[in-house]
Amino acid sequence: DAGITQSPRHKVTETGTPVTLRCHQTENHRYMYWYRQDPGHGLRLIHYSYGVKDTDKGEVSDGYSVSRSKTEDFLLTLESATSSQTSVYFCASSISRDTGELFFGEGSRLTVL
Amino acid sequence: QQPVQSPQAVILREGEDAVINCSSSKALYSVHWYRQKHGEAPVFLMILLKGGEQKGHEKISASFNEKKQQSSLYLTASQLSYSGTYFCGTEGSTGFQKLVFGTGTRLLVSP
Repeated sequence: DAGITQSPRHKVTETGTPVTLRCHQTENHRYMYWYRQDPGHGLRLIHYSYGVKDTDKGEVSDGYSVSRSKTEDFLLTLESATSSQTSVYFCASSISRDTGELFFGEGSRLTVL
Repeated sequence: QQPVQSPQAVILREGEDAVINCSSSKALYSVHWYRQKHGEAPVFLMILLKGGEQKGHEKISASFNEKKQQSSLYLTASQLSYSGTYFCGTEGSTGFQKLVFGTGTRLLVSP
C-alpha cells in the first residue's frame, strides 16, 4: 500500500475558526486530491494538484483553499469553518493518469459546531 | 457533473450475480471502480481506458462503452466480502487526472 497519511484524523471545531487538514505521502506521486464524503453525495472533489505549486479547483471548492509546497504534502484549509463543512475528508494520490489507481488516506472526520 | 450510478442499492445472497451501472453525460477518457467498506477508505478495483476494453479482477469484471459513455461492473458468484459501497469515478479529456465520482451503489451480500 502507498504510504499516505492524514492528520488530524478527528477534529471538532466551532463555526468561524480556521482549520487545516494535512495529507502526507511518501510515494513521490505527482497527483494529489482532496475529496469530501457526505451521505447521498458520494465523494466530491474539492481541489487537486498536478505538481508542486500546481493546483486547481474541483466541484465543491467554495470555502476551501489548498497549498502544495512539497511533493509529499498537500494541505487543505478552511479559512472560516461552517457547519455545512462537517464531513469526512479523504486525501488521495496517484502516480500517473494511465496507471490510474488513487491511493486514499484513512480519512479525517471534521465536525463544525 | 457527477456520473449516475444504478441501482442505488442491491441485496444479494451469497453466490448470486449483480451488475452495477455508471453513466456520464460527458465524453470520457477513463472510468474507475472503487469499493468502500463502512468506516474505511475506498479501495481501487480497476480502471478502464477509452477503447472499450473489458477488464477482470478475480470474479469482478467491468466493461466500458465509450460511445455511450457508460460502464458496467459485473460481480459473479458474490461472496460475503463483496459487501460495501461501489463507486465509479469518471475522467474527461482534460489532460489531467481529475476524477468525479458517482454517489455510490450499496451492495449487501447475505449468507
